[in-house]
Amino acid sequence: AQTVTQSQPEMSVQEAETVTLSCTYDTSESNYYLFWYKQPPSRQMILVIRQEAYKQQNATENRFSVNFQKAAKSFSLKISDSQLGDTAMYFCAFMKLFSGAGSYQLTFGKGTKLSVIP
Amino acid sequence: GAVVSQHPSRVICKSGTSVKIECRSLDFQATTMFWYRQFPKQSLMLMATSNEGSKATYEQGVEKDKFLINHASLTLSTLTVTSAHPEDSSFYICSAREAGSGANVLTFGAGSRLTVL
Repeated sequence: AQTVTQSQPEMSVQEAETVTLSCTYDTSESNYYLFWYKQPPSRQMILVIRQEAYKQQNATENRFSVNFQKAAKSFSLKISDSQLGDTAMYFCAFMKLFSGAGSYQLTFGKGTKLSVIP
Repeated sequence: GAVVSQHPSRVICKSGTSVKIECRSLDFQATTMFWYRQFPKQSLMLMATSNEGSKATYEQGVEKDKFLINHASLTLSTLTVTSAHPEDSSFYICSAREAGSGANVLTFGAGSRLTVL
């Protein structure tokens, strides 16, 4: 079974500054995806960024980038130029692939509540 | 982009009644849908995996007779909470994976808040 750990229950950042959210995971799988999802007060889950485990290059999406360290099983999210609209819960998630039962299921961490301060 | 519609967004019911929540993929076919439960200030917990045309696979500890899941078509999965009790009050979220998708990205519905009086 996979586990995802987010060790920062809450974080805050000044508007326009940079913040990094941490995530570690444990798995014996070799093929998997990692995701960061954002859940604003509306409760709608929004995909922020995803990383295929077989890719060494870190994924980036505009102001969002990840630091994927496969050997260390670490997957942190960096938000640059933080904006007020980034205030939300952020969930790190693991998806197992191509392994029959349980494929494509997401295992979520407990989440980090990020507050962007004006 | 892919859109998943979840209905109703809010429902209040009396204890002992049943409530049905629908999850529809609007612009794609979803062979697999997932149902989650989220308690306040907590993470999403997977309840079951729903595959079109077959029985749902429930996670350990989830009562399949209480949480009935039906995936009758490639665009619709339903979750029925039977004989609801106050402890079933929660936020229920569905997600869908597009059939044949190589992107392995799940699209989420907006969730349904169930309150059982």
